[in-house]
Amino acid sequence: GAVVSQHPSRVICKSGTSVKIECRSLDFQATTMFWYRQFPKQSLMLMATSNEGSKATYEQGVEKDKFLINHASLTLSTLTVTSAHPEDSSFYICSARIQGADTQYFGPGTRLTVL
Amino acid sequence: QQPVQSPQAVILREGEDAVINCSSSKALYSVHWYRQKHGEAPVFLMILLKGGEQKGHEKISASFNEKKQQSSLYLTASQLSYSGTYFCGTELAQGDSWGKLQFGAGTQVVVTP
Repeated sequence: GAVVSQHPSRVICKSGTSVKIECRSLDFQATTMFWYRQFPKQSLMLMATSNEGSKATYEQGVEKDKFLINHASLTLSTLTVTSAHPEDSSFYICSARIQGADTQYFGPGTRLTVL
Repeated sequence: QQPVQSPQAVILREGEDAVINCSSSKALYSVHWYRQKHGEAPVFLMILLKGGEQKGHEKISASFNEKKQQSSLYLTASQLSYSGTYFCGTELAQGDSWGKLQFGAGTQVVVTP
């Protein structure tokens, strides 16, 4: 299957700082990537759709000014959590879809802890 | 829009079978099944597209009933490695939902020796 990587795998930051998470498709091009968030013992919730070369689209209730998404190339999307607060602590997972296919592959996730 | 998964949890002995159901109130284009182990990201199992197909992956198979907008995942002759939380992700059959997966609450599966 296709490989999606994320960096970092874990990050701990102080409240008020910004954190950038990278999502890369390693062996395929992805015009569209998706960002999910998962709180402990809960399901995955779609946050936003990242489109290469255009603005991301956000799901209802997700603040676009707080969660900045940039999809600068066909293999890289970044999520920046700005002015992070403890309630932003979560497991952030990206997924990528091979162009022309239906299958989505998930990255290994980034565990964010905001102190 | 979130699909409904059942049961919430199931405990099996090695070698037993189980069925996990996923249903949606809206028309679906596809259903995706994933398994997640504690502390890890979900791992893709299989995808079913509208058309009522059935697929298999080792001793795990799934079906999609397009008329009922329901999918079922079948764990046959379960192995210890099948333990984890199973999620169905559904993609709606409408233009602006392309690629967007809505996940069910998950079914925790525990396989004991």
